[in-house]
Amino acid sequence: DAGITQSPRYKITETGRQVTLMCHQTWSHSYMFWYRQDLGHGLRLIYYSAAADITDKGEVPDGYVVSRSKTENFPLTLESATRSQTSVYFCASSELDRGRETQYFGPGTRLLVL
Amino acid sequence: GNSVTQMEGPVTLSEEAFLTINCTYTATGYPSLFWYVQYPGEGLQLLLKATKADDKGSNKGFEATYRKETTSFHLEKGSVQVSDSAVYFCALSARYDSYKLIFGSGTRLLVRP
Repeated sequence: DAGITQSPRYKITETGRQVTLMCHQTWSHSYMFWYRQDLGHGLRLIYYSAAADITDKGEVPDGYVVSRSKTENFPLTLESATRSQTSVYFCASSELDRGRETQYFGPGTRLLVL
Repeated sequence: GNSVTQMEGPVTLSEEAFLTINCTYTATGYPSLFWYVQYPGEGLQLLLKATKADDKGSNKGFEATYRKETTSFHLEKGSVQVSDSAVYFCALSARYDSYKLIFGSGTRLLVRP
């Protein structure tokens, strides 16, 4: 049971480059989420998806793009990376109904933008 | 909008001490409440949850009770261990808000032998 995986686990890039972070889950969960974790802010929601081809903005979506062509994948793209996007990124997934709304988190991707 | 406030850390305790981490929330309706734990270098794991008022979530000796009257969900453990050292996040989600998790800022717990 692979669960939810993220790749790469660590990434160093330069300002202005495009970066894509991958997220894959094997449970066929309807919902998927992207968060960023920064010291003093806890986790903040970037984008989420309720199903394939349905995505919506979270609290901090600027500078990010998502897509969800398949239920199991939810890639996050930084179109032109900035230093302020240096962070730890977590992907999560959950089932649809109340009572089963627990989110399961991936191991995270540590991104450094130079 | 919905929000979660939890006590500032770090919290430093000796092994076998009693732990309380305070968490209060602001939300309309009846959200579900969660405690997640993050061990060093890892992702978040669900520790416990409660989905309605007066429910008590419990796991691994940790407990928290959903108090609607005080809008609180304080985390407690009677006797902490060194292995409990981690960052603890209180969070809420609501069906009317697509189950998005709203997190507190996290509380770092350090347990000394």
